[in-house]
Amino acid sequence: NAGVTQTPKFQVLKTGQSMTLQCAQDMNHEYMSWYRQDPGMGLRLIHYSVGAGITDQGEVPNGYNVSRSTTEDFPLRLLSAAPSQTSVYFCASGQNYGYTFGSGTRLTVV
Amino acid sequence: AQKVTQAQTEISVVEKEDVTLDCVYETRDTTYYLFWYKQPPSGELVFLIRRNSFDEQNEISGRYSWNFQKSTSSFNFTITASQVVDSAVYFCALSEARRWGGSEKLVFGKGTKLTVNP
Repeated sequence: NAGVTQTPKFQVLKTGQSMTLQCAQDMNHEYMSWYRQDPGMGLRLIHYSVGAGITDQGEVPNGYNVSRSTTEDFPLRLLSAAPSQTSVYFCASGQNYGYTFGSGTRLTVV
Repeated sequence: AQKVTQAQTEISVVEKEDVTLDCVYETRDTTYYLFWYKQPPSGELVFLIRRNSFDEQNEISGRYSWNFQKSTSSFNFTITASQVVDSAVYFCALSEARRWGGSEKLVFGKGTKLTVNP
């Protein structure tokens, strides 16, 4: 089993560009989520999903878009990247309060 | 609302010292789960422990031990005889029990950076 797969691992964007961070899990977990990690701030929840077709906002949703068309995939979209979105992004999936994290995507917006 | 506070931003110890990382949480729910994760310099998140709110027994796993006290809303983590490989950022996290229409959101503290010097 691959667990949670995040792509890409590294990305540099110019301000205003758009991109999608990919997250896929092969454990048939209902719950999936996206976090961003910034120095001194811990991991903050961006968006989460409790199943296909159901998404909701977390603590810091502005500037990000998500959808969940399948159980396996939960992409995170940046429609117009800003330097404030420079961060490390983690995707997680979970079932019955057991969580699996991806290895992270380091995003730099210049 | 859920909240996790890790008041210690950074701790530095010398190898073989014992060290305790503090975690205080807030929740309105009576059923919840508490977690500790380790993030080594390589960046991945490593799961250490999960504790159910109904289980207040302390747990020991090798050099690691956890003290859960509902009366003080704390879930502290102690490393005995610390080693250089314990150097990492440690996160405490909380998840409230899922209700109908709810979720298993995991809320993190800001983390404690532990440096173990040789």
